[in-house]
Amino acid sequence: GAVVSQHPSWVICKSGTSVKIECRSLDFQATTMFWYRQFPKQSLMLMATSNEGSKATYEQGVEKDKFLINHASLTLSTLTVTSAHPEDSSFYICSARGLEGNSPLHFGNGTRLTVT
Amino acid sequence: GQNIDQPTEMTATEGAIVQINCTYQTSGFNGLFWYQQHAGEAPTFLSYNVLDGLEEKGRFSSFLSRSKGYSYLLLKELQMKDSASYLCAPMDSNYQLIWGAGTKLIIKP
Repeated sequence: GAVVSQHPSWVICKSGTSVKIECRSLDFQATTMFWYRQFPKQSLMLMATSNEGSKATYEQGVEKDKFLINHASLTLSTLTVTSAHPEDSSFYICSARGLEGNSPLHFGNGTRLTVT
Repeated sequence: GQNIDQPTEMTATEGAIVQINCTYQTSGFNGLFWYQQHAGEAPTFLSYNVLDGLEEKGRFSSFLSRSKGYSYLLLKELQMKDSASYLCAPMDSNYQLIWGAGTKLIIKP
């Protein structure tokens, strides 16, 4: 149980274009989903916390107009990287937590974004 | 502030036992998670401790001492596939996980 599906697994896009990443909790309801970014050999960096039906909470230094997050249902959150630039190339990982506050985070398989 | 302290890297031999220590400081505490992350992949959940003591799950065990702000992950009968980073992640009063850089475990034959 507790499967989180993230799509796509990898994407290559041209500078200036937008990319949408989907995160779905397949067998549980997730009121809260988290979006992380991880550069090589570095720790996970929380970008934003997404709550179903409300606006996402962004971490300091993360541009909310560049990284658009939508959490329309208890099983789906999307991250759109708008006007992507090469420095946005990274490993983006979503995670979801069940309804209880201390439920473990379950991670999607991540999306490797390369902006050329 | 909130911080996590784990060794950066450890090396162990296939078939042996290794203990990865973690000390932490958080604003409030709602348990501590251990995750495994292979290179280039997302983390996978290993264990959760909220009360003091040892939780055993197959070859992996996790220990917690809340008064000392200390936890460890014990891996027995090491296999080559256990080569990965191990992330200690305490949960603060807002139910947010605090992430450190993790411990890179290298298993040698």
